[in-house]
Formats: sequence, structure tokens, C-alpha cells
Amino acid sequence: NAGVTQTPKFQVLKTGQSMTLQCAQDMNHEYMSWYRQDPGMGLRLIHYSVGAGITDQGEVPNGYNVSRSTTEDFPLRLLSAAPSQTSVYFCASSPRTGTYGYTFGSGTRLTVV
Amino acid sequence: AQRVTQPEKLLSVFKGAPVELKCNYSYSGSPELFWYVQYSRQRLQLLLRHISRESIKGFTADLNKGETSFHLKKPFAQEEDSAMYYCALTPSGGYQKVTFGTGTKLQVIP
Repeated sequence: NAGVTQTPKFQVLKTGQSMTLQCAQDMNHEYMSWYRQDPGMGLRLIHYSVGAGITDQGEVPNGYNVSRSTTEDFPLRLLSAAPSQTSVYFCASSPRTGTYGYTFGSGTRLTVV
Repeated sequence: AQRVTQPEKLLSVFKGAPVELKCNYSYSGSPELFWYVQYSRQRLQLLLRHISRESIKGFTADLNKGETSFHLKKPFAQEEDSAMYYCALTPSGGYQKVTFGTGTKLQVIP
């Protein structure tokens, strides 16, 4: 049981490049989210999904795109990377209700130069 | 709108001293509250859920609806408690967004 797996762990991008951060969970969780973690700002919700085929925006969605074609996978796409997107990105999942709390991935440290 | 406030960015205590990490929330309905911990360069882990009323690693947290607070407490700090602590809130009932506070770094001084 791997839990939540994120790849890559580290990435350096040039401004304007695009890339996809991968997130997969093997716990059959319906709810999945992407957060970015910045110093002094805590975790801010980018996008979330309540099940396959259903996604919605969080508080900082601009510049990011998501899809949820399966229960297991929830990739995050950076459309045209900007230095302001330098951050640590965490994927998280939970069962149907929030009562159980999240299981987090190990994070992706992204630097945009 | 839901909001979580952690007023302290850094809390330094001596080993063996009591710890209280503050969390205040704003939400008009019935919330579910959590504490998460992140040790250096590791993933966030769920520490406590208010609904379970449990004690994990000596930490407890009580939901005070009157003061809209969910402070995290431990009677005697240990060096291994040094970490970032995040308070989080989600409205109860099904598919809801989870909002995190900005976090408090706990530093336990030997």
C-alpha cells in the first residue's frame, strides 16, 4: 500500500515551459487535492476533485490545470511556468468525507527560473 | 467563507515545558478541525482530528465553539516535537474544501 505517490520530487523549469506533476493514490479515495506551500503562507488550495470526472478550483487556480479521468490519478499541469510558481506542491487525498483527514504525498519542489 | 488563523509563526519552548499552539477559526456552520504536523523536509501527517477526541504523541486539542478555537496542547515538550504544525478546517458533511492556517513552527530547546 503506497498511499499517495508524487513525481517528480524535484524539478527546475525555465519560464514559459509547461509540465505535469503526477499524483496517484491506491486507497480508493474519492477526494483529491493539490496545494502549494510557500513560506509564511501555509498551504493554499489550487484545485480539487470529488471523484473521477469532477474537478473544481481552489483559491489559487490561475496558471494550473487538472483532470481526473480515474479515481487513482490526479495530475496537475502548469501551462506556462512563471517564477511566481516556484513552490513546493503537495497532493492529498481522503475518503468521501473530510472527517478522516488527508493523506499527503511527499511533495514536489519546483523552481522556475 | 471559512478561515483559519494561527497567530504565531514561531513558538520556542524549553524541553519539558508545556506547549500550546493556537488555532482560531471562522466558519458560520459546523466545522471539522484537524492538526497536521510536518517534520523537517517530510510530508504532512495527520496528527489529530477533533471528532475523535484522541491523544497522539501526548498532544490533545479541544474544540471550543464559543471562542472558535482549537488549540493544540502538550504538557511536556520533547525535542522530537520540533516541527511545523498546521491547523485545518473543513465544513462537516461530505465533499468540502479543506482550509489550512499559515502554520506555526515549534522549536523545542534542549
